[in-house]
Formats: sequence, structure tokens, C-alpha cells
Amino acid sequence: SQQGEEDPQALSIQEGENATMNCSYKTSINNLQWYRQNSGRGLVHLILIRSNEREKHSGRLRVTLDTSKKSSSLLITASRAADTASYFCAGGQSGGGNKLTFGTGTQLKVEL
Amino acid sequence: DADVTQTPRNRITKTGKRIMLECSQTKGHDRMYWYRQDPGLGLRLIYYSFDVKDINKGEISDGYSVSRQAQAKFSLSLESAIPNQTALYFCATQGGLNAGELFFGEGSRLTVL
Repeated sequence: SQQGEEDPQALSIQEGENATMNCSYKTSINNLQWYRQNSGRGLVHLILIRSNEREKHSGRLRVTLDTSKKSSSLLITASRAADTASYFCAGGQSGGGNKLTFGTGTQLKVEL
Repeated sequence: DADVTQTPRNRITKTGKRIMLECSQTKGHDRMYWYRQDPGLGLRLIYYSFDVKDINKGEISDGYSVSRQAQAKFSLSLESAIPNQTALYFCATQGGLNAGELFFGEGSRLTVL
């Protein structure tokens, strides 16, 4: 399988805390993307970081990419109950026309 | 209206039946994908198409076939459904080689008894 892995598989935090999710991937990539999925719904794109970038911010999201370690992290700051969802990383494959290979996901629960 | 529409949203069928899942998009994207989601396994690519005349197998294409009827339509067929094809199926579109982002439909939940 070409899938990556995410760590942790599940994360439970209190509202206001920061949430950090990690992703490791196996193949060479053009970009690394993060998606969010509310229970049973379609995935929604959050942020994309290109292979020549090391860090990117979007609102409360901060993504890092280390291509030498084939890893990425997603930080959600000041979490809210509405952030409760599953989060997936996906690598755009260099030799595959940029089609995406998804990780196994992290289930985040933010409690009031 | 949704940009990427999947039908049916839910389907229960029996082993051996032929099933078609349909996807249509209004985004004008050339690239379309079918993924399967199982608990704990994330999303796995079944088939993808980069334009109307292009069909490619993904990592788990056995037991599935697809048809790209037009730029806007990409259907997934299970010729003879089996219980381990019970899953949540997603269609997605992508704008192009450098576009990156995928746009997903709401999913089709298939149960094979």
C-alpha cells in the first residue's frame, strides 16, 4: 500500500487547547494536503503545502512539511467544539500526475 | 446545488447484484476520482480519469469498473457485488495538474448483504 499513516489515530482535547496531528508518507510528493471530514460527510480541503515549502498558515491552522523525513504536521490552535472531525493528510504524487494518496486519518474530539 | 453530486446516497443490495454509483460535477474539472472509505483504512483510490478518453486503475480496482460518459460524469460499477464491497464511496474532482485540491461529493453508502 502507498498509504501514509497519521498519528495519533484519535485525539481528545478541551476547547481552547491546541491540537497537533502528524502524518508520514511513503512516496515522493509535489504537495501535501490536509482535509477535514465531519462524520459520514464528504471531505473538505483545508490547506495545501508544496514540496518546496516548510511551513504554511491559514487562520488557526499551521502546517509544516519535512520532505527529508517524509512527514507533515497539522496544528489547530485555540480549538473549538466545531473542530471535532476526522482529519486526513494526502500526498500529491510526483510521478502520478499529482493524484492524491490519503493517510488513515486522525479523529479529533474537542470537548467543552 | 452541490458542485459534485453523487447518486444514490444510500443503497442496500444483495450479493451478486450489479450496482452503479453515479457522479456528476458542475465545476468544469477534467480530473475525476473514485475513492472507497472503510473504517480505520482512510480513503483508497479505485479508479481515476484525467479526461474523457482517459481511465486509470487505482490501488484497489479489482471488482470495479468505471465509465467516463462526459467531462461532467463519471460512474462506478460493481458488476457482481460482494459483502466486502460494503463501504462509503466518494467521487472527487480536481482542476488540473497544478490545481492540487480535490472537491468531494457527499458520498454513497453501499451495503451488500
